[in-house]
Amino acid sequence: EVQLVESGGGLVKPGGSLRLSCAASQLTFTNAWLSWVRQVPGKGLEWVGLIRNRADGGTADYAAPVRGRFSISRDDSTNTLYLQMSSLKTEDTAVYYCTHYGSNSVPFDSWGQGTLVTVSS
Amino acid sequence: QSALTQPPSASGSPGQSVTISCSGTSSDVGGYNFVSWYQQHPGKAPKLIISEVSKRPSGVPDRFSGSISGNTASLTVSGLQAEDEADYYCSSYAGYKNFWVFGGGTKLTVL
Repeated sequence: EVQLVESGGGLVKPGGSLRLSCAASQLTFTNAWLSWVRQVPGKGLEWVGLIRNRADGGTADYAAPVRGRFSISRDDSTNTLYLQMSSLKTEDTAVYYCTHYGSNSVPFDSWGQGTLVTVSS
Repeated sequence: QSALTQPPSASGSPGQSVTISCSGTSSDVGGYNFVSWYQQHPGKAPKLIISEVSKRPSGVPDRFSGSISGNTASLTVSGLQAEDEADYYCSSYAGYKNFWVFGGGTKLTVL
């Protein structure tokens, strides 16, 4: 069973930056596409972005609300996924989930437990 | 406001069937057969229960089924059980620009 463990959440002021990490195990990380999905507490889910494996270009795509402010990267040597967030806004406050992206047919098929990011002055 | 429209709540008694709708457009739900459904219990991460409109991952009971008609997808839970009480979210691929959109979620209550 795929294991995904997020870390790095916390309280940050508007305009600030934060980097989330996701440690992955029980999967062939180098082959995996991975994604971030967030959820405002008590609200619905929102796709944040995804990153392809190196064989498929290693590129990332982002949802419009975070494009230009967030950056997804990966370290295949340590099986770790990252989400670098900058110019944070209060509306970025959410639980951020790391997910395994199986394919367009089977997306978000494994989830981490989530890490809470609170953007507040 | 979420891209896909779901009813905020649904309910049924044990043993009954309940259907949750997920309305989109021809740019997402109606344009691709890539609709998935997620179950989320309080304080837990979502869990994939339906992919590609109607396919169940291994381990998901066959009480859960999915279908689509035009721009609206549906999740049916048959033979309701107490443990089915949870929030349910639909999601659809929306093309290479928007990628993935979600519904606002439906809280299913087992009476």
